[in-house]
Amino acid sequence: QVSLKESGPGILQPFQTLSLTCSFSGFSLGTSNMGVGWIRQTSGKGLEYLATIWWDDDKYFNPSLNSRLTVSKDTSNNQAFLKITSVDTADTGTYYCTRIIRGTGDYWGQGVMVTVSS
Amino acid sequence: DIQMTQSPSLLSASVGDRVTLNCKASQNINKNLNWYQQKLGEAPKLLIYYTNNLQTGIPSRFSGSGSGTDYTLTISSLQPEDVATYFCFQYNSGPTFGAGTKLELK
Repeated sequence: QVSLKESGPGILQPFQTLSLTCSFSGFSLGTSNMGVGWIRQTSGKGLEYLATIWWDDDKYFNPSLNSRLTVSKDTSNNQAFLKITSVDTADTGTYYCTRIIRGTGDYWGQGVMVTVSS
Repeated sequence: DIQMTQSPSLLSASVGDRVTLNCKASQNINKNLNWYQQKLGEAPKLLIYYTNNLQTGIPSRFSGSGSGTDYTLTISSLQPEDVATYFCFQYNSGPTFGAGTKLELK
C-alpha cells in the first residue's frame, strides 16, 4: 500500500533554509509518469501548491516562490526533498507531500508542522 | 494564475440532505479538477478526480460534475462523518486550490 511521511526541523529562524524530506513506500519515483508534489497549508494563503519532481527529474515550481525552491529525489531510497531558502513567518504552516499520478495527488502524507520564529 | 472560487464558504445542512458545493475557475480548466475532503487535524483526502471519477474507497454518495469553468461536488445524502472542509483543485495549468467550503451539521 502507498504511504508517505514528511519530516523536517519543526522550528527555524527567519532567513534560514527549510529542508524537508518525504519518505514514501508503495511506489517508485523510477516509474514513468510518477511524481511527488509538495503542498503547504498556511493561515495566510490556505492550501498552496509549491512544487513537483517527476520520475525523469523534470520539475515544476510555483512561480511566486520559484527562486526560493529546490526539489530533488533519491530514487533508490524512496525519498524526495524540498528546500525553501530565506524563510520568514509567512512560511509557517503544515507541509505535505503527495504522490502525483496522472496529474493528481492521490495519496498524501500526514503533514509536518513548520514554525518560523525568531 | 488560475483562480478557483468556491461557494459557499460555509454550508450548514442536516443529515440526509442533498448538498451541492460549487467551484468556479477563472478560465477553462478542461475538466482537470479534483475534490478533496479535509477533516480537522488531518491531511486532505482525494474524493473525486478529473471532475467526475470517484476515488477508490470513497462512498458513492459523493459525485462530481462540470466542464469549462464551473464544477460541482454533490453529496446525495449527508452523513455525520461528512463534516469537513472541501477543496477543489485544478491541475490544468499552474496547480491551484480553492479556499474551501466548510460543511457543518445544522
